[in-house]
Amino acid sequence: QQPVQSPQAVILREGEDAVINCSSSKALYSVHWYRQKHGEAPVFLMILLKGGEQKGHDKISASFNEKKQQSSLYLTASQLSYSGTYFCGTGYFSGNTPLVFGKGTRLSVIA
Amino acid sequence: DTGVSQNPRHKITKRGQNVTFRCDPISEHNRLYWYRQTLGQGPEFLTYFQNEAQLEKSRLLSDRFSAERPKGSFSTLEIQRTEQGDSAMYLCASSGQGRVYGYTFGSGTRLTVV
Repeated sequence: QQPVQSPQAVILREGEDAVINCSSSKALYSVHWYRQKHGEAPVFLMILLKGGEQKGHDKISASFNEKKQQSSLYLTASQLSYSGTYFCGTGYFSGNTPLVFGKGTRLSVIA
Repeated sequence: DTGVSQNPRHKITKRGQNVTFRCDPISEHNRLYWYRQTLGQGPEFLTYFQNEAQLEKSRLLSDRFSAERPKGSFSTLEIQRTEQGDSAMYLCASSGQGRVYGYTFGSGTRLTVV
């Protein structure tokens, strides 16, 4: 039931783009994205609901493909501050079930 | 609002001892979650509350773990007879009720069992 994230790790230079994927074997109701910096708590980025909507937050956006049960997080023109581990959290059924988190994707942005 | 607060930040205990952690959620949030995170892994669900009612517990949670949320305010997580495998970061999160709310996490309590 745990969603699968890919890639496990990625290294970018400032200004480059990245895509992080999150796939589920079960029908998804919602997908949350969080970023966690070393030694800190995960911080909420955005939520996507069943319906295939796309959301954006500054230069970070995400999409939800209901047919594929997959969400993708897009980071464009990456900045040093984007470094951290990105987790997707998946919600099932009505969305009232607790999130199940993937193992994370470690993103390192270098100058 | 100061966010989600967890105490203590760090706890070192000897194997076999009992430990208790506290979480103070955002006051207007009626949902409270406990997760456990080990190095290199995502948060793993333990249990959650809606107001004072404990609605779900992970099947992975042994009977040594118990959680309460009296009066729907703060919550405590107790681990009895700690084992070395209990060493982890214990995260608390809260959210409003409804499908559009993300979780706000606390800074966690890092437990080390020696």
